[in-house]
Amino acid sequence: DAGVTQSPTHLIKTRGQQVTLRCSPKSGHDTVSWYQQALGQGPQFIFQYYEEEERQRGNFPDRFSGHQFPNYSSELNVNALLLGDSALYLCASSFRPSAEITDTQYFGPGTRLTVL
Amino acid sequence: AQKVTQAQTEISVVEKEDVTLDCVYETRDTTYYLFWYKQPPSGELVFLIRRNSFDEQNEISGRYSWNFQKSTSSFNFTITASQVVDSAVYFCALSENYGNNRLAFGKGNQVVVIP
Repeated sequence: DAGVTQSPTHLIKTRGQQVTLRCSPKSGHDTVSWYQQALGQGPQFIFQYYEEEERQRGNFPDRFSGHQFPNYSSELNVNALLLGDSALYLCASSFRPSAEITDTQYFGPGTRLTVL
Repeated sequence: AQKVTQAQTEISVVEKEDVTLDCVYETRDTTYYLFWYKQPPSGELVFLIRRNSFDEQNEISGRYSWNFQKSTSSFNFTITASQVVDSAVYFCALSENYGNNRLAFGKGNQVVVIP
C-alpha cells in the first residue's frame, strides 16, 4: 500500500518565477492538505482540498493556489516566488467520511524548495 | 484560535534514559483532537498518536507513552529507555471540531539521543 508521494524532491527557483508541486494521496484517501515548513519551525497550514474544491485556507497570500484532480491527487502552485518562500512543502492526505469527522493526516516526504 | 506550545527546543539524552516532551494547547472548542508526529532527518512526518478531547486515558505503545490532562491543557509524550533511532524532531499538533482537519503545530522538540 503506497503512502503519500510528492514530486519533485528538491527544486531550485529564482525570485519571481512560478513553481508547481505535486502530491498523490495514500490509497483510499480523498482529502489533501498542504503545509509549509520553514527551517526550524513547525508546519504551517496552507489549504485543504476535498471533492476538487478548496475547503479551508490558512493565512497565505493568493500567490499560493492549488488544485485537486478527480483521482484525488493535488497540485500546489506558487507564483511570483519570494526568498521567504524557501521551505519544505508537505502534503498530507486523509479520509473524510463526513463533514464532522476529523481524520488522521498522513504526510508525504515533502518537496524542498529553494528560492535564490 | 488554536495554539500549541512546545517549550523545550532541543533535548539531549544519553541512550537508555527516559525523555519527556511537554505540549500545552489552547482552544475554545470542547471537541478537539491532539496528535504527535515524529520527523526524522529524512523530513517526512510520521504519525504517532491521535487522541480526542473526550478520551483522557493515558496510552502506552511499546516504549512510547502519552499523558493527556484536560485540566492543565497538556498532552505530554514520554520515550522510555531512549535509543539512537529516537533522534528526531517531535511535533505536537491540534485540530479543532467539526471536520476542521487543519492541524496547528507546535515548534517541535529536537531530541538527540547520545550513544
